[in-house]
Amino acid sequence: KAGVTQTPRYLIKTRGQQVTLSCSPISGHRSVSWYQQTPGQGLQFLFEYFSETQRNKGNFPGRFSGRQFSNSRSEMNVSTLELGDSALYLCASSLETGTGGGNTIYFGEGSWLTVV
Amino acid sequence: DAKTTQPNSMESNEEEPVHLPCNHSTISGTDYIHWYRQLPSQGPEYVIHGLTSNVNNRMASLAIAEDRKSSTLILHRATLRDAAVYYCILRKYSGGGADGLTFGKGTHLIIQP
Repeated sequence: KAGVTQTPRYLIKTRGQQVTLSCSPISGHRSVSWYQQTPGQGLQFLFEYFSETQRNKGNFPGRFSGRQFSNSRSEMNVSTLELGDSALYLCASSLETGTGGGNTIYFGEGSWLTVV
Repeated sequence: DAKTTQPNSMESNEEEPVHLPCNHSTISGTDYIHWYRQLPSQGPEYVIHGLTSNVNNRMASLAIAEDRKSSTLILHRATLRDAAVYYCILRKYSGGGADGLTFGKGTHLIIQP
């Protein structure tokens, strides 16, 4: 069974540009969430999508956005990039069958973004 | 959100058991206890989770205190590949969808050969 797949794995962008990251969840998983990891702030929750609807959102500015498609694949976008956006962006998927906090979340390898 | 407290780092020898503690004194009745680990330059990897009873899987065991205010992740026979940062996380379902995972700083486990 294929895991969570993220593309691209590595990218370099210039300040002010925008970037789109893609995530394919594990087959059958309807929930996709995104996290940012930096050395200073650690792992932080960005947002979660379920059946194409954003259900939960972390404490990030509006420059960070996402969407989910009908096949559960998801994209996240960061506009007007800042140097501080350099980070590892992780996508995770889960079944979210209704047992709530007992659902297991599976992470991808992440997309390394460097803003110069 | 209920918080967890873990030691910053722990050291153990290869092929010996490792007990990683986690305190979560403000845990609520609907919080599940999850453990993830992250190897260098990789995404977090699910290890184990539980609610009230002790749990075992092929990777580890999870021992949950009777009052649920603490738990211990047990690696029965550590290998060099177990060297990673281990995160203890509480996760609840809030009706509108499960909350995102709140990661602390975790425990950096060092395995000596």
